[in-house]
Amino acid sequence: AQRVTQPEKLLSVFKGAPVELKCNYSYSGSPELFWYVQYSRQRLQLLLRHISRESIKGFTADLNKGETSFHLKKPFAQEEDSAMYYCALTSLYPMDSNYQLIWGAGTKLIIKP
Amino acid sequence: DAEITQSPRHKITETGRQVTLACHQTWNHNNMFWYRQDLGHGLRLIHYSYGVQDTNKGEVSDGYSVSRSNTEDLPLTLESAASSQTSVYFCASSDLHGNTGELFFGEGSRLTVL
Repeated sequence: AQRVTQPEKLLSVFKGAPVELKCNYSYSGSPELFWYVQYSRQRLQLLLRHISRESIKGFTADLNKGETSFHLKKPFAQEEDSAMYYCALTSLYPMDSNYQLIWGAGTKLIIKP
Repeated sequence: DAEITQSPRHKITETGRQVTLACHQTWNHNNMFWYRQDLGHGLRLIHYSYGVQDTNKGEVSDGYSVSRSNTEDLPLTLESAASSQTSVYFCASSDLHGNTGELFFGEGSRLTVL
């Protein structure tokens, strides 16, 4: 079955501490993985995607095909990182019938001062 | 600037009423989607469209319908609202060929069914 699992519904860390939001997936094809973020009172937006290999707002995520994971990490959390984070995947090849985005249930990240 | 807008942003209705949520995008995207967001479930796909006159059911389509008569709009209709349809609804669009997988979301419509 194709699935994205975010095992933590809620993650609370202190400002300045490292953050790791977990994402595991199950997918039969070649996946493209994303992290989306929803800040309070703002619309959902793309944070980063694995094919870009970018660091956005200090966050990075590495695709580990062996462990089928795409964990989101930041070495030093900031209060403005508090938000809802969603991991999602789709086919790397857009004409696949599995084009649809498959979403995790989301992790609410709270950064304590 | 191109954008995607939803209306109304907040709606309270009664069980059994028909409700339509509007979604309008000026990105000229082929693909449009409707999701509902509920605690513990994340985002669940209701309906989607890959172009004009194309509509498809998502994983939670029962009780909902959509139509796509032009590129810009994908209205979502609840034929007979039920309390289980109380949720936050998000419309999104994407350009399949230009930007694989990235969705651009509206601000959401919070629907309460009493």
